[in-house]
Amino acid sequence: GDSVTQMEGPVTLSEEAFLTINCTYTATGYPSLFWYVQYPGEGLQLLLKATKADDKGSNKGFEATYRKETTSFHLEKGSVQVSDSAVYFCALSANKGYSTLTFGKGTMLLVSP
Amino acid sequence: NAGVTQTPKFQVLKTGQSMTLQCAQDMNHEYMSWYRQDPGMGLRLIHYSVGAGITDQGEVPNGYNVSRSTTEDFPLRLLSAAPSQTSVYFCASSARTDNTEAFFGQGTRLTVV
Repeated sequence: GDSVTQMEGPVTLSEEAFLTINCTYTATGYPSLFWYVQYPGEGLQLLLKATKADDKGSNKGFEATYRKETTSFHLEKGSVQVSDSAVYFCALSANKGYSTLTFGKGTMLLVSP
Repeated sequence: NAGVTQTPKFQVLKTGQSMTLQCAQDMNHEYMSWYRQDPGMGLRLIHYSVGAGITDQGEVPNGYNVSRSTTEDFPLRLLSAAPSQTSVYFCASSARTDNTEAFFGQGTRLTVV
């Protein structure tokens, strides 16, 4: 079945550092890929998505590129802020009409001033 | 718009008690789903619905029932609570188009003692 593997955390960074959170997937066909973010005490909200190979999703300074050859969708940000502290989830959805999401286990990011 | 609303936010149950977690959305989304979030496990799908009157099981359905009598509401029922059902529960909804964003509620933190 489909699965998502992302790096374990917590990831601890100082403000303005570069961020990479690795995500790889296993799926049949050509899934859509998502990054969701969960701030403390809140539900998940979509950060960015990509629906086909070589697409780049971007939002709020975060970027991720859909790499079919390496089955990866790594999240990056050039300069993190304290307000980026949250749990980040990589997820996929089979690209065939409606499909539920398959999530990775989540990576906690802690940014210190 | 309120989006996806879950009630209650917190609940403590005794083993063997029953309860219903409520979920309502005001976006006229056809698709709704329930996930549970456990430490180190990410989000796992419990049940989902592709429209009123249609439900199906997800990855971890045992111990839970659902029904979908209206487009807006998708309650999750625990018939006889067990300590293993201690978790944070999230309801999500999405529109009936490919690769669309899922909108999440704020979550219900359930403790079974």
